[in-house]
Amino acid sequence: DQQVKQNSPSLSVQEGRISILNCDYTNSMFDYFLWYKKYPAEGPTFLISISSIKDKNEDGRFTVFLNKSAKHLSLHIVPSQPGDSAVYFCAASLNTNAGKSTFGDGTTLTVKP
Amino acid sequence: SQTIHQWPATLVQPVGSPLSLECTVEGTSNPNLYWYRQAAGRGLQLLFYSVGIGQISSEVPQNLSASRPQDRQFILSSKKLLLSDSGFYLCAWGGRTGLGRSYGYTFGSGTRLTVV
Repeated sequence: DQQVKQNSPSLSVQEGRISILNCDYTNSMFDYFLWYKKYPAEGPTFLISISSIKDKNEDGRFTVFLNKSAKHLSLHIVPSQPGDSAVYFCAASLNTNAGKSTFGDGTTLTVKP
Repeated sequence: SQTIHQWPATLVQPVGSPLSLECTVEGTSNPNLYWYRQAAGRGLQLLFYSVGIGQISSEVPQNLSASRPQDRQFILSSKKLLLSDSGFYLCAWGGRTGLGRSYGYTFGSGTRLTVV
């Protein structure tokens, strides 16, 4: 049973437009959510996180929204840039120190110039 | 600042051979350390985590083992590799990241293991 799901394997957007990446989870005990970005043959890098006590967290061009009732979170990138092209992983943790995070399968974002 | 080193970057090993992947962390003490594996086209699966020297928790039954002989050293091993052990292995340190404002993982650069 996959507890964190990213149902869109890929997403393509035009440079300058908004990218919206979605993530659903099934375990209502998850308390902390994170997004990571990964380039080929590299380890993922942390992007942004959100605690379950919030519904929005913003960091520059990146905003994460959390809808606890729907068990859904999304990552918005505005404006999208070609350098944002990568695989984006959603992750969830049972506690706010991000221990033992459960990852989704990732969404490959392609930003076209 | 904290850094994490993982090696080798790539490895091709025959079935039945042993494995040893090493991960070291600098700039922090008593870190929580993790080994993840990414299969092709899939997400990251947690294999092992450690909260201190000699303390190892296994998340999934498998052909691999982990050890933490020193505070900032985490080793992934196998006595006899299987074809199904192929994948991209990532070591991670859990702590404050994102310019120190949030908790998350800092990952190593990964090891691409191909068992032939």
